Amino acid sequence: DAGVTQSPTHLIKTRGQHVTLRCSPISGHKSVSWYQQVLGQGPQFIFQYYEKEERGRGNFPDRFSARQFPNYSSELNVNALLLGDSALYLCASSLEGGIDSPLHFGNGTRLTVT
Amino acid sequence: GIQVEQSPPDLILQEGANSTLRCNFSDSVNNLQWFHQNPWGQLINLFYIPSGTKQNGRLSATTVATERYSLLYISSSQTTDSGVYFCAVVDSSASKIIFGSGTRLSIRP
Repeated sequence: DAGVTQSPTHLIKTRGQHVTLRCSPISGHKSVSWYQQVLGQGPQFIFQYYEKEERGRGNFPDRFSARQFPNYSSELNVNALLLGDSALYLCASSLEGGIDSPLHFGNGTRLTVT
Repeated sequence: GIQVEQSPPDLILQEGANSTLRCNFSDSVNNLQWFHQNPWGQLINLFYIPSGTKQNGRLSATTVATERYSLLYISSSQTTDSGVYFCAVVDSSASKIIFGSGTRLSIRP
């Protein structure tokens, strides 16, 4: 079975632009969560979705938004990009609805904002 | 919110050595997970361990929830064990997942 897949793998954007990152969970997993990892730090929790509803939110500005589709895939959107948004964005899926379930990560999208 | 601290921040060992990584958390948690991030950035789930002890090959983990810490043991280290090890806990009151800052492990041949 395929693992968690994320696209694109790399992305370069300019300040002020908008970006959409995509994630497909492991087959049968209904929960998706998103993380931002800046170089040298641990992942920072952004959102968690289950059955298309937001179940958790980290300390990120409103420029960050997400949604989950009926097939359980998810998108993370970031508006008005800042240089500080440059990071590795990770998506994880889990079987159960709560955020206290084993997480399985994709390989990430590396975003560079210039 | 819950604070998660990992120690040591860096660890350099020779191949074949054993190591113990520690994760302390500031409040009671429902679960704890250990991850290995390889040099290419991929995060692999090693253990889902709310309490007790689990073993998987050369790796084992113990969580003592009442004392708010978890330990990850790596025996007979191999160069492929190099990377960063993270622990993560759930702050149920805030519906957030909190990662520690990691332990960077380097295994020398």
